[in-house]
Amino acid sequence: EDKVVQSPLSLVVHEGDTVTLNCSYEVTNFRSLLWYKQEKKAPTFLFMLTSSGIEKKSGRLSSILDKKELFSILNITATQTGDSAIYLCAVVMGGAGKSTFGDGTTLTVKP
Amino acid sequence: DARVTQTPRHKVTEMGQEVTMRCQPILGHNTVFWYRQTMMQGLELLAYFRNRAPLDDSGMPKDRFSAEMPDATLATLKIQPSEPRDSAVYFCASGLIPGQGRGEQYFGPGTRLTVT
Repeated sequence: EDKVVQSPLSLVVHEGDTVTLNCSYEVTNFRSLLWYKQEKKAPTFLFMLTSSGIEKKSGRLSSILDKKELFSILNITATQTGDSAIYLCAVVMGGAGKSTFGDGTTLTVKP
Repeated sequence: DARVTQTPRHKVTEMGQEVTMRCQPILGHNTVFWYRQTMMQGLELLAYFRNRAPLDDSGMPKDRFSAEMPDATLATLKIQPSEPRDSAVYFCASGLIPGQGRGEQYFGPGTRLTVT
């Protein structure tokens, strides 16, 4: 059975802190790993990772994939209250692109 | 600015009633997904389509849920009869199959369903 596990389930930090969110997976026919941010509405796309060791960056967010150890991390530096959200990790399988989502990490950034 | 649209945005209904949710995927996308999200279960995949053909609906209770794509611009999710445990936010998402796109899914705003 395909499985995506995120940790921690929730995290509370103060503005300016750096956080690391984890995502491990066990799936058949891995194609890519995606990170989403969900605030009060629908998830929005952050990153797609397909190759090990290549860091993706967007401002204060960065992510990296390890296909040998089957995990990815999402780093957020100098956190702001606007970073408070649920961060979802999803793995896309080959073929038609079915995705399996993790349960998410709820990040709360306090002023 | 292309986006996935869903109707209705909110639905309150009584147990036993039929509920139909509609989704218009982004033009040109060839995969469509239906998800359900609750506090307890997180995001669950109910069904997905590729080029309008249903590929997997194993996440749906077959006796009461049905999903269809009558054409490329419309996907529907129907619950008949609805039950209180169906209360959740239902998201539709669309994308391109891996190889044609990056694999990410674009989510609609969701339909918040409450069954009393």
